[in-house]
Amino acid sequence: NAGVMQNPRHLVRRRGQEARLRCSPMKGHSHVYWYRQLPEEGLKFMVYLQKENIIDESGMPKERFSAEFPKEGPSILRIQQVVRGDSAAYFCASSPTTDRGGADTQYFGPGTRLTVL
Amino acid sequence: AQRVTQPEKLLSVFKGAPVELKCNYSYSGSPELFWYVQYSRQRLQLLLRHISRESIKGFTADLNKGETSFHLKKPFAQEEDSAMYYCALSGLTSGTYKYIFGTGTRLKVLA
Repeated sequence: NAGVMQNPRHLVRRRGQEARLRCSPMKGHSHVYWYRQLPEEGLKFMVYLQKENIIDESGMPKERFSAEFPKEGPSILRIQQVVRGDSAAYFCASSPTTDRGGADTQYFGPGTRLTVL
Repeated sequence: AQRVTQPEKLLSVFKGAPVELKCNYSYSGSPELFWYVQYSRQRLQLLLRHISRESIKGFTADLNKGETSFHLKKPFAQEEDSAMYYCALSGLTSGTYKYIFGTGTRLKVLA
């Protein structure tokens, strides 16, 4: 079972372009989380998804950011009209479902480092 | 409000000294508590979880429900312990399971 995959690992965009980040969870995992990490800062929660559902997007900026986890295929975090402040490492994590129906240990991907010029 | 608090952003200790990384939580219910670690240029990974009651790399953490704490401890710090440490909880909130991370503590072990 391959670990959580993220691509691309590095992404460079100019201001105003779109950034599309992909996350393939571990096989059998039904929970996906996206986090942002600024240099020398901690992990900040963005969004929590299950298949075809956004469960909690309280950490997502209201504009320009969107996320999806379709029935088939990877989860996508999309940032439209990027600005310099979007430069950060974006981590995805996936988690299996516990007996209680909630999320278990999170398994993290290697991250995507977004640089906005 | 559900919250995980790590009061120290940075903790520096000398090699061989004891380490305690603090974590307090606010949660109405029975959460599961975790510690994650991120070594330099590596992905975040689970260090330990309270239900397994294990000691990993010499680290232990005891859930204290009375003080709502889950502090991470190691009796003798090693240089390779230098990393970013995150405390997290998972629990049911308003019918939905939430996973909440603290802001992290950077541990620097000095030679």
